[in-house]
Amino acid sequence: EVQLLESGGTVVQPGGSLRLSCSASGINLRFFAVTWVRQVPGKGLEWVSSISGNGNFMYYADSVKGRFSISRDQSTATGYLQMTNLRVDDTALYRCATLAGAWGDHWGQGTPVTVSS
Amino acid sequence: AIQMTQFPSSLSASVGDRVTITCRASQGIGKDLSWYQQKPGQAPKLLIYSATNLQSGVPSRFSGSGSGTDFTLTINSLQPEDFASYYCFQDHNYPRAFGQGTKVEI
Repeated sequence: EVQLLESGGTVVQPGGSLRLSCSASGINLRFFAVTWVRQVPGKGLEWVSSISGNGNFMYYADSVKGRFSISRDQSTATGYLQMTNLRVDDTALYRCATLAGAWGDHWGQGTPVTVSS
Repeated sequence: AIQMTQFPSSLSASVGDRVTITCRASQGIGKDLSWYQQKPGQAPKLLIYSATNLQSGVPSRFSGSGSGTDFTLTINSLQPEDFASYYCFQDHNYPRAFGQGTKVEI
């Protein structure tokens, strides 16, 4: 069974920083692009950022560009989302996913991030 | 950036009904569109990829159609387990984008 596991979510003050991690069991995450999707409880899905399988290409939603940084460590098959200058409207459940269609569309259960003073 | 407009935002239906959800892209995306189902407290589940392809293990009552800018998800003979939220997703280019979602309720 494939499982993606996120960690790192917590309560942080506005302007603060946080790093989320994504690891996998049942698949080799090294072979997949990693995407972060967030969701405010009761609201819709928002694509946040993606990184290519080789780590050479990174993409960001306009809402997080310049504040968030996506990366990966191929030695540990772990994906990361570094979040800085956090705002109240960044509060959400953050999930990592592979989004590879028929080749493997896998999601984690998410890690909650709360930005509040 | 490509905008995805999904409608309706919610609908009421009964078991056995045929349900249609529409997604419109602000520019042509070929067939680079997926449909996801999400139930409360769960991660999204892929139903359809490349606009028309049924993901393995997904019941055949789900089908997708369309290309370019207009896409449709159809659920034939709605089942109790189909009451959920549905999202379209464009993977044609970056930034990626989800539709706003459609909640299918009894």
